[in-house]
Amino acid sequence: VQLVESGGGLVQPGGSLRLSCAASGFTFSNYWMHWVRQAPGKGLVWVSRINSDGGRTNYADSVKGRFTISRDNAKNTLYLQMSSLRAEDTAVYYCARGVSGSYGFDYWGQGTLVTASS
Amino acid sequence: QSALTQPPSVSGSPGQSVTISCTGTSSDVGSYNGVSWYQQPPGTAPKLMIYDVSNRPSGVPDRFSGSKSGNTASLTISGLQAEDEADYYCSSYTSSSTYVFGTGTKVTVL
Repeated sequence: VQLVESGGGLVQPGGSLRLSCAASGFTFSNYWMHWVRQAPGKGLVWVSRINSDGGRTNYADSVKGRFTISRDNAKNTLYLQMSSLRAEDTAVYYCARGVSGSYGFDYWGQGTLVTASS
Repeated sequence: QSALTQPPSVSGSPGQSVTISCTGTSSDVGSYNGVSWYQQPPGTAPKLMIYDVSNRPSGVPDRFSGSKSGNTASLTISGLQAEDEADYYCSSYTSSSTYVFGTGTKVTVL
């Protein structure tokens, strides 16, 4: 199992960014997928999740209406479209696979850093 | 959704046992068997140690065990080893169909 995030970088407050997570080593279309973030020196914060066929999504209140999670099962790729970015969105963003049939996150990528700053 | 409450730090000597608590509410920890625990050494991605309160993924030593009583879950590390030094986070599924993490606990091996 491998998860590789990309798309992070420096963006001005109010700007947009799209993160990608390329999955391999498992049947991507069978799993819930999640985004989790971690601000520098701070704890983990759950951001969003999407079910196996992309028809069901959930978001943390802090990003609802600004972030959109999606997936392309043909490309084995998870996305996070982020808009109206704020300084407090600055963090390492991890994608993680949901435990099959259970709760929790069993595999994580190495993360991609998003910095919202002028 | 407020973060679950964990002690900032715990410590123990090699071979000892330490327990980390994770306190939530009746809307998260108390309502589901959806508590999981993660180990995060500095500069690395988190690693799943316990899921569904007390289940260990393959490859995780049986020194790690989990339990829950009411709105509080616990992770116990028995036979503490130097390699166990890391930050530990709990997480719970919630009644809003979201997840919430704990505040994190730094485990120090003396």
